[in-house]
Formats: sequence, structure tokens, C-alpha cells
Amino acid sequence: DTGVSQDPRHKITKRGQNVTFRCDPISEHNRLYWYRQTLGQGPEFLTYFQNEAQLEKSRLLSDRFSAERPKGSFSTLEIQRTEQGDSAMYLCASSSRPEGLNYEQYFGPGTRLTVT
Amino acid sequence: AQTVTQSQPEMSVQEAETVTLSCTYDTSENNYYLFWYKQPPSRQMILVIRQEAYKQQNATENRFSVNFQKAAKSFSLKISDSQLGDTAMYFCAFMKHGMRGSQGNLIFGKGTKLSVKP
Repeated sequence: DTGVSQDPRHKITKRGQNVTFRCDPISEHNRLYWYRQTLGQGPEFLTYFQNEAQLEKSRLLSDRFSAERPKGSFSTLEIQRTEQGDSAMYLCASSSRPEGLNYEQYFGPGTRLTVT
Repeated sequence: AQTVTQSQPEMSVQEAETVTLSCTYDTSENNYYLFWYKQPPSRQMILVIRQEAYKQQNATENRFSVNFQKAAKSFSLKISDSQLGDTAMYFCAFMKHGMRGSQGNLIFGKGTKLSVKP
């Protein structure tokens, strides 16, 4: 399977703990996006990378959140000192981008985070 | 800022019938893309259909077609010959047309839950 993969699929943590999620994009895709989806809502953009460079961060991404894509391949999203409001599905997507064009985004299955 | 509105939280349709899902958006951009994504229960989101704003012709993909009205900022999805497997959340999404270095994040509506009944 050469689709976008995410690990873990589910994570239950206690308030105040740190969590880290991983996303492996489609191998030839140079753009990688993180979104957050709460129950009954559409996904909301968090941040995106072009290769290893983090080019945009949403205001939703508080200073407790950090994302990396060290070698331009997989990405990690870390949440420090988790709060109950962080409970959500965290989605990763990737796309390829020939110059001057935007291409569709392919989504992973998501990581469902529950903060107790 | 761009916004996407889906005014139908839930809809249902009988198998083999046709259903139309509504979407409106607000933007000052002239070049952009519009998408419909499908999210089946407990499964990942997949692209259903895409429309480039500069194209006047409505996009079609097999049983799925759109009615794109640029002046009205409307982008509805028509599903013909509905199948049980079409049961899912459907999200309308907007993306600005990319120039070198610009962002390409999607802006989603809140979704419409479609149930196809046998």
C-alpha cells in the first residue's frame, strides 16, 4: 500500500501528558499537511511543509504544538501538556506540486486522540 | 478570509435515486479550486471530484457531477443512481490557486451526512 499512513491510529492520554504522532506521506509527494477534525466538524488546517520547510502555521497551532519534517519525508506532530480540548482526530495529507499548480491532497486514516 | 458553508447537516436518499448536496463559499480570489471529499464511517477521506474555477464546464466523475456557479459562489454535488456505499460524510472544500511559494491548504465546510437507504 503506497497511501498516506499515520501512527498510532488511536491514542488515549491523561491531561498534562505529551503525545507524538507520526505521518508517512506518499513517497514522491513533497507537500505534507496536518489538519485537526473535531466531532461534527470539517477538518481545520494546522500547518504544512514543503519538503523539510514548514511554510505556514495556523493560529490554531498554539505553542504547545510543534511539527517537524526533518528529512522531507515523514513528519511528526507533538502536543505538549495535553488538554481535554485537544481531543480530536488529527489528519495528515500529502500532495505533489509541479511548479505553478496545486494538486489534490491524499489523506491518511488519522490519529484519534482522547485526553482524559 | 475564505469560508465554506454547507447548509444541509443531514440528508437521506433511496438507493438508485439522485441527490444533490449544496455548498456555498465566500472568497475575493479569482483563481481557486473547489473539491468534494467523501469520508465514510471510520474510514479515511477520499477525493470525489475537483473543479478549477477558471473552467466553465462542470466537472463529472462517473455518477458524480457538480453544478459550479462562479458568480453565485455555489458548488453543488449531484450523485446519480445512489448506492449504499455512498453513505458517508461529504465535505465541500476550497483551495486558493497556487503561485510559487503560496500555501495550498484546504478550507472545509462542516459537512453533510448522507444516508443511502435500501
